[in-house]
Amino acid sequence: EAGVTQSPTHLIKTRGQQVTLRCSPISGHTSVYWYQQALGLGLQFLLWYDEGEERNRGNFPPRFSGRQFPNYSSELNVNALELEDSALYLCASSLYLGGTEAFFGQGTRLTVV
Amino acid sequence: GNSVTQMEGPVTLSEEAFLTINCTYTATGYPSLFWYVQYPGEGLQLLLKATKADDKGSNKGFEATYRKETTSFHLEKGSVQVSDSAVYFCALSVGQGAQKLVFGQGTRLTINP
Repeated sequence: EAGVTQSPTHLIKTRGQQVTLRCSPISGHTSVYWYQQALGLGLQFLLWYDEGEERNRGNFPPRFSGRQFPNYSSELNVNALELEDSALYLCASSLYLGGTEAFFGQGTRLTVV
Repeated sequence: GNSVTQMEGPVTLSEEAFLTINCTYTATGYPSLFWYVQYPGEGLQLLLKATKADDKGSNKGFEATYRKETTSFHLEKGSVQVSDSAVYFCALSVGQGAQKLVFGQGTRLTINP
């Protein structure tokens, strides 16, 4: 069974640009979570989607947004990139609404220059 | 608020040494406690968990006991291997859903042959 897949694995963007990261959850999982793992800051919760709805949001500015599609895949969009947005962005999925055990993808390494 | 503090790394040990990675927490309510592991180039994997006081989680030779009186969840392994080299994250969750996960800063472990 395929795990959580994320694309791309790496990308480099210029400050001020916009970026879209993609995540496909494990088959049958309806909840998708996004985390930011910035250097030295641990993992910070960004967004939670379930059944196409945004269920919860972490302490991030509005330029971080996303959506979930009918097939439960998800996109994370970051507008007006700043240098401090450089981080590993991890996606996770769980089996049902708010399921406690989440499975993580390998992440997308974003570098903003 | 909820927070997790784990010992700073990096930690370097020789193969077959005894491992302890300390983790303490602050939480409102009754948290579930987790250890996640991140191998090089990969996402996070759930290593073990405990959902109530005095529970012991165990997996792959690793153990951790939920100590409510000391608000701790220290990770131990009796004999480490080179393949255990990774970053280890302690985390807590109060309430359902991965969006409720609060992570520690991570401890990088390197095992030398």
